[in-house]
Amino acid sequence: GESVGLHLPTLSVQEGDNSIINCAYSNSASDYFIWYKQESGKGPQFIIDIRSNMDKRQGQRVTVLLNKTVKHLSLQIAATQPGDSAVYFCAEKFKAAGNKLTFGGGTRVLVKP
Amino acid sequence: DTAVSQTPKYLVTQMGNDKSIKCEQNLGHDTMYWYKQDSKKFLKIMFSYNNKELIINETVPNRFSPKSPDKAHLNLHINSLELGDSAVYFCASSQGPPNEQFFGPGTRLTVL
Repeated sequence: GESVGLHLPTLSVQEGDNSIINCAYSNSASDYFIWYKQESGKGPQFIIDIRSNMDKRQGQRVTVLLNKTVKHLSLQIAATQPGDSAVYFCAEKFKAAGNKLTFGGGTRVLVKP
Repeated sequence: DTAVSQTPKYLVTQMGNDKSIKCEQNLGHDTMYWYKQDSKKFLKIMFSYNNKELIINETVPNRFSPKSPDKAHLNLHINSLELGDSAVYFCASSQGPPNEQFFGPGTRLTVL
């Protein structure tokens, strides 16, 4: 099917700890992956992306890891802050689907002070 | 200035009515999208336009009709609204696929 990964599980994290959000994608032909953050009442906001010819990419406090062998994507957030509390979505793109992004179900991250 | 804007932010209406949601982007992007997010937060693409041309049209009832008067605008018109249409609708834009898509703030549609 077209579903990517998650079905809104919740990850509770202590402030200051690292967070890891996992995502299983469906199509081995997918060539682009992206993570979005959605805060309550707002639209999704870009965090980081990665192309299939890479296995790791780093941003500010975030790292995305791509394991094409097992079709797995992860987002690591370093030193999680209260402002990181949100729903996180992974999405994949493959050309056969007309370059559209297919989103996963999201993971809710709750940061405990 | 807001990059992708939508109006209205909230829309409450009766079943059977016809309503429109407007979207504008000031990023100079060529491609615009409409997504529907259901109550379980699942986000699914509905339509995509590139330079006013429809390029993605998912399995969406033909009661939904997108219209792009120019590449900065993509409006969504919905006829004969049904209870199941209640959701949050997001507009997004990108500078050509597959690049990062910028999302608007969403329109929460409630059909009574």
